[in-house]
Amino acid sequence: EAGVAQSPRYKIIEKRQSVAFWCNPISGHATLYWYQQILGQGPKLLIQFQNNGVVDDSQLPKDRFSAERLKGVDSTLKIQPAKLEDSAVYLCASSFGGATNEKLFFGSGTQLSVL
Amino acid sequence: GNSVTQMEGPVTLSEEAFLTINCTYTATGYPSLFWYVQYPGEGLQLLLKATKADDKGSNKGFEATYRKETTSFHLEKGSVQVSDSAVYFCALNRGGGADGLTFGKGTHLIIQP
Repeated sequence: EAGVAQSPRYKIIEKRQSVAFWCNPISGHATLYWYQQILGQGPKLLIQFQNNGVVDDSQLPKDRFSAERLKGVDSTLKIQPAKLEDSAVYLCASSFGGATNEKLFFGSGTQLSVL
Repeated sequence: GNSVTQMEGPVTLSEEAFLTINCTYTATGYPSLFWYVQYPGEGLQLLLKATKADDKGSNKGFEATYRKETTSFHLEKGSVQVSDSAVYFCALNRGGGADGLTFGKGTHLIIQP
């Protein structure tokens, strides 16, 4: 079974630039999550999709972050403009149902460095 | 929202030692509790979970019991191996009807041969 695919693996940008991350979840998984993991901390949920609808984006900094999930499959997360404090690993996860009753499958993440 | 606190690392043990990683939580209602693990070079993966008080989750020799009276979900293993070296994250539901998970900061476990 193919896992959650993310790209790019690494990204280095300067502050105020824009960046986008891509995620392809496991086939058939209706729920998709984006997490931000700052060095030394646990993952923090940014946004949760159920199919192509947003379920929870209460922790997404909407002035600079945006995300979409076209056709309920792939998803992109964008930061515009980036700040130094956005340096982190951005993790995508998917599950068949919700996180309470289903195992989350995580991708390897995109490591973002903002200089 | 709900939150979780776990012991700071790194935790360094010798092979075959007994392991305990402490995790306590603050929550409204009755959250489900999880331990996720990240092995070197790999993505996070579910290790075990418990969905109600007094439930015991177990997997790969690891166990954790949902203790409502002490709001704890400590991870234990009787005899650790070098291959258990990883970062372990305690997690629970975000609460307020939100389904996503809130994670602790993680505990880095190092097992020496």
